[in-house]
Amino acid sequence: DAGVIQSPRHEVTEMGQEVTLRCKPISGHDYLFWYRQTMMRGLELLIYFNNNVPIDDSGMPEDRFSAKMPNASFSTLKIQPSEPRDSAVYFCASSSTDRGWENEQFFGPGTRLTVL
Amino acid sequence: DAKTTQPTSMDCAEGRAANLPCNHSTISGNEYVYWYRQIHSQGPQYIIHGLKNNETNEMASLIITEDRKSSTLILPHATLRDTAVYYCIVREYNDMRFGAGTRLTVKP
Repeated sequence: DAGVIQSPRHEVTEMGQEVTLRCKPISGHDYLFWYRQTMMRGLELLIYFNNNVPIDDSGMPEDRFSAKMPNASFSTLKIQPSEPRDSAVYFCASSSTDRGWENEQFFGPGTRLTVL
Repeated sequence: DAKTTQPTSMDCAEGRAANLPCNHSTISGNEYVYWYRQIHSQGPQYIIHGLKNNETNEMASLIITEDRKSSTLILPHATLRDTAVYYCIVREYNDMRFGAGTRLTVKP
C-alpha cells in the first residue's frame, strides 16, 4: 500500500489567492483527518470525516477554510482567500475502524504551505 | 489543550534503552495512552498504544502505572534513526490532541 498520499508537497502562493490541498487516504479506511502544524501552535486537528461525512469541524479556524470528501478515496482542504498566517504544514491522516475506534491513524507526508 | 506533560528534550546513547516519561494525571477510564513520533519533516508515525496493561510491539514497549496517571515509552535499543519528537497522547475516540512532545536525540 502506498500509504496516505498528499499533493502538492510544497505550495507557495500570494496572499488572497485560493489554495487547494489534496489527500488520498489508504484504501479501505473509513476515517480521514486534516491537521495543521505550526511552530507556535503545534499539531492541531482541523476536521475529520467518517464514511465521507464531516463529523467534527470545530478545529477549522474560520470561514476561509473548507474541506470536502466527495468519495472514499479523495478529500480536499481549501483556503480562500489565503493569508500569511495560514503558512504551515498540513497533514492528512486516515484510519480504519475494522477493529475498533482506537485504531491508529496513518499520516501522509504533509503539504508545506507558504503564503507570501 | 493536551492532557499530557512530557520533558522538552532527552538524550540517549546509541544502543542503549531510551525511556521517555509522560504524565497524564487527569486521564479518565475510557481514554487510551498513545505514542507517536515525528522525524524531521515527516508526518507523525504511530508507535504503540494501551489502556491499562503494559504493551509491547516490534518498535517499543509501553509501561502504564497502575493508577494510569503516568506512562513510559521504552525503545529497547535506540539507534540514530530514532532521533525524533515523541508525542504522548491521551485519546478518547477521535479527539487526539498533540502536545509539544519530547525531542529525543540519540547520540553515537
